[in-house]
Amino acid sequence: DVKVTQSSRYLVKRTGEKVFLECVQDMDHENMFWYRQDPGLGLRLIYFSYDVKMKEKGDIPEGYSVSREKKERFSLILESASTNQTSMYLCASSGLPYEQYFGPGTRLTVT
Amino acid sequence: SQQGEEDPQALSIQEGENATMNCSYKTSINNLQWYRQNSGRGLVHLILIRSNEREKHSGRLRVTLDTSKKSSSLLITASRAADTASYFCATPPDSSYKLIFGSGTRLLVRP
Repeated sequence: DVKVTQSSRYLVKRTGEKVFLECVQDMDHENMFWYRQDPGLGLRLIYFSYDVKMKEKGDIPEGYSVSREKKERFSLILESASTNQTSMYLCASSGLPYEQYFGPGTRLTVT
Repeated sequence: SQQGEEDPQALSIQEGENATMNCSYKTSINNLQWYRQNSGRGLVHLILIRSNEREKHSGRLRVTLDTSKKSSSLLITASRAADTASYFCATPPDSSYKLIFGSGTRLLVRP
């Protein structure tokens, strides 16, 4: 079974802090994705990566950056956390351009 | 804007009854996928139907696709309390490996 893990289930950070969310997949997938999920807004794509060191902006990249130095790891970085970045963050991976496999999510609270 | 929109937004049924959820989308697609999300967790892929398929079954799940109406439905037969979750449809825009998710249907199965 594909396994996608995220570094934390719950995280509390202060405004202005730099935040790292890590995602690791064990199925040698080329594609990896970061979403945020908010009530009433559904899942929104922040960034995705189709290969090591390659990245593309999704629908809401502002305030975020990503890093993919190794195929299995995709990191989401909040350079200076703000309260409007309080959200559920979901990482996913896919091997073909088809079904995506999700991690358990990180619920981030920025105070 | 959302590619897929689910209907209804929320559904409450008795255990043993069938649950039907609908999804409408806007652009041409090569496949449509359904995912389930238990409260506070990541999404789990349920089933994928390709654009040249009209119906697909997987256990108690039945998915239909009508490309002329740009709509799909997910039927869960003989529902169980464990089916309580949110259900999302997702489509890849322009045959890409990204997915655009609908806003979801919250299903409550009462024991």
